[in-house]
Amino acid sequence: DVKVTQSSRYLVKRTGEKVFLECVQDMDHENMFWYRQDPGLGLRLIYFSYDVKMKEKGDIPEGYSVSREKKERFSLILESASTNQTSMYLCASSWGGGSNQPQHFGDGTRLSIL
Amino acid sequence: AQSVTQPDIHITVSEGASLELRCNYSYGATPYLFWYVQSPGQGLQLLLKYFSGDTLVQGIKGFEAEFKRSQSSFNLRKPSVHWSDAAEYFCAVVSLNTGNQFYFGTGTSLTVIP
Repeated sequence: DVKVTQSSRYLVKRTGEKVFLECVQDMDHENMFWYRQDPGLGLRLIYFSYDVKMKEKGDIPEGYSVSREKKERFSLILESASTNQTSMYLCASSWGGGSNQPQHFGDGTRLSIL
Repeated sequence: AQSVTQPDIHITVSEGASLELRCNYSYGATPYLFWYVQSPGQGLQLLLKYFSGDTLVQGIKGFEAEFKRSQSSFNLRKPSVHWSDAAEYFCAVVSLNTGNQFYFGTGTSLTVIP
């Protein structure tokens, strides 16, 4: 089975801090994704990556950046955390063989910005 | 623009009763369709997927879904609900036009009463 591991289940940070959320997958997937999940809004795509050192903006990239230095690892960075970035963050990966490949999700990181 | 609608925010059913969760999509091209389930505090787990062929697809945990092109729908069904099915359910769509980017509905929360 595909395993997508997010480094923290719960994280509490302060306004203005630089925050790193880490995600690692073990199936050699080309594609990786970061979403945030908020009640009533479903999942919204922040950034995604089709290959090492490649990144694409999703629907809500403002206030975030990403890094993919190795194929298995995709990091989400909050450059200067703000309270409106308190949310559940989900990482996902998929094989790059086509649009019909399902995404596999980690268990999420619940981030609170105080 | 692509969109996915799950009209029911919250559904309550009795254990043993049948279940149908609705999903409608708006796409110009032939879509690939997915249903995911999210248990409390967990990431999303793939229930089933539709790419082509038989419009009735079977998934895990006794779920099935039917693709109806004329209605732009992909409704999820289960003949007899178990208490462990209480969770949030997400419909997702991707098409050749969107590459690997999934579009998720806002989710339906299912409560199962004894």
